[in-house]
Amino acid sequence: RKEVEQDPGPFNVPEGATVAFNCTYSNSASQSFFWYRQDCRKEPKLLMSVYSSGNEDGRFTAQLNRASQYISLLIRDSKLSDSATYLCVVPASGGSYIPTFGRGTSLIVHP
Amino acid sequence: DAGITQSPRHKVTETGTPVTLRCHQTENHRYMYWYRQDPGHGLRLIHYSYGVKDTDKGEVSDGYSVSRSKTEDFLLTLESATSSQTSVYFCAISGSGYESVGVSYEQYFGPGTRLTVT
Repeated sequence: RKEVEQDPGPFNVPEGATVAFNCTYSNSASQSFFWYRQDCRKEPKLLMSVYSSGNEDGRFTAQLNRASQYISLLIRDSKLSDSATYLCVVPASGGSYIPTFGRGTSLIVHP
Repeated sequence: DAGITQSPRHKVTETGTPVTLRCHQTENHRYMYWYRQDPGHGLRLIHYSYGVKDTDKGEVSDGYSVSRSKTEDFLLTLESATSSQTSVYFCAISGSGYESVGVSYEQYFGPGTRLTVT
């Protein structure tokens, strides 16, 4: 079974800081991975996809290191509204229908 | 946002009673999933469906059953609810139509159902 590991945190950072999370995975031939954001008592929502070439969306940058089997999420210029739990996801592949979720990393951005 | 709804959104029930949760999608997605989320455990897969009338068990399927008689609806049933089934239940969908399996699709989640078993 694929394993996905994340540091649960919480990462406590001031507004404006840059923060990075890593997520390690095992045994996946997937071409893309995903980062989700989950606010307290809400459903997970897709934040961004992660490809071999990386992906950038505004203040968010996601990268894939296939050789070391980890994906990363970098948040620049943190906002209070970035406070949430960030889940990394290894999609289903190789005939499986089941993606694997990490347990999430908690981010708290304070004034 | 993907067209996915869950009902009811909140439910309180007594131990031993049957409960059915409904997930409805308007996206014609092939795959549908039921998860539960509890503090300290993250998302755990209960059951999933890879097509109409095609379902399989996830890692925490004991005490739960599912049915999918049409593309848009995926029902989760607790045959006899227990207090350990108090949780937040999320439905998710992925894929697009009935293309080949093994494609890495992202999932979209419903708003969740908060179930309390007393």
